[in-house]
Amino acid sequence: GAVVSQHPSWVICKSGTSVKIECRSLDFQATTMFWYRQFPKQSLMLMATSNEGSKATYEQGVEKDKFLINHASLTLSTLTVTSAHPEDSSFYICSAKRSGANVLTFGAGSRLTVL
Amino acid sequence: AQSVTQPDIHITVSEGASLELRCNYSYGATPYLFWYVQSPGQGLQLLLKYFSGDTLVQGIKGFEAEFKRSQSSFNLRKPSVHWSDAAEYFCAVAGGDDMRFGAGTRLTVKP
Repeated sequence: GAVVSQHPSWVICKSGTSVKIECRSLDFQATTMFWYRQFPKQSLMLMATSNEGSKATYEQGVEKDKFLINHASLTLSTLTVTSAHPEDSSFYICSAKRSGANVLTFGAGSRLTVL
Repeated sequence: AQSVTQPDIHITVSEGASLELRCNYSYGATPYLFWYVQSPGQGLQLLLKYFSGDTLVQGIKGFEAEFKRSQSSFNLRKPSVHWSDAAEYFCAVAGGDDMRFGAGTRLTVKP
């Protein structure tokens, strides 16, 4: 079945540094990938939709200069949290959709803690 | 745009009791509907999905859900809950290229 790998699972960084999270589709080509953020005990909030080879589409209220998304290939999307601050601490989850499919496959998530 | 409402934030049931988690959606066309489960600190696992056809869908771990167009609902059910079912459950609706999630329902299972 379709597998999405997300790396790293856990990351701790100092305030002001940047952190990159990778999302890879291991056995299929993902034309579209999604990035979600989840605060404790809350639902997933869609941050942005990225299509291979084009700029990501950000949801209202999400700072595109702070959360840089790159979808350079059909199997890899990256989320870079730039100049991270403690309020950016959260659980970030990616999902990928195979071309022509209607089911998303989710990564296991990445927990970011900013000190 | 599509939206999803899960009216119950937290539900507690006794082990062996039946379970129903409510989900209502808003979408202009026939939606694609999903239920996901999230165990603490982990990602999401797909329980079941509805695209078309039979409105009663079976999923993994003994879960089922029924699509009722007249009520715009897609409630999740399980006849007998196990302690390992304690988790957060999310209903989601997809249309076009994105997916929207409900706020989630946290299930606690009492011994």
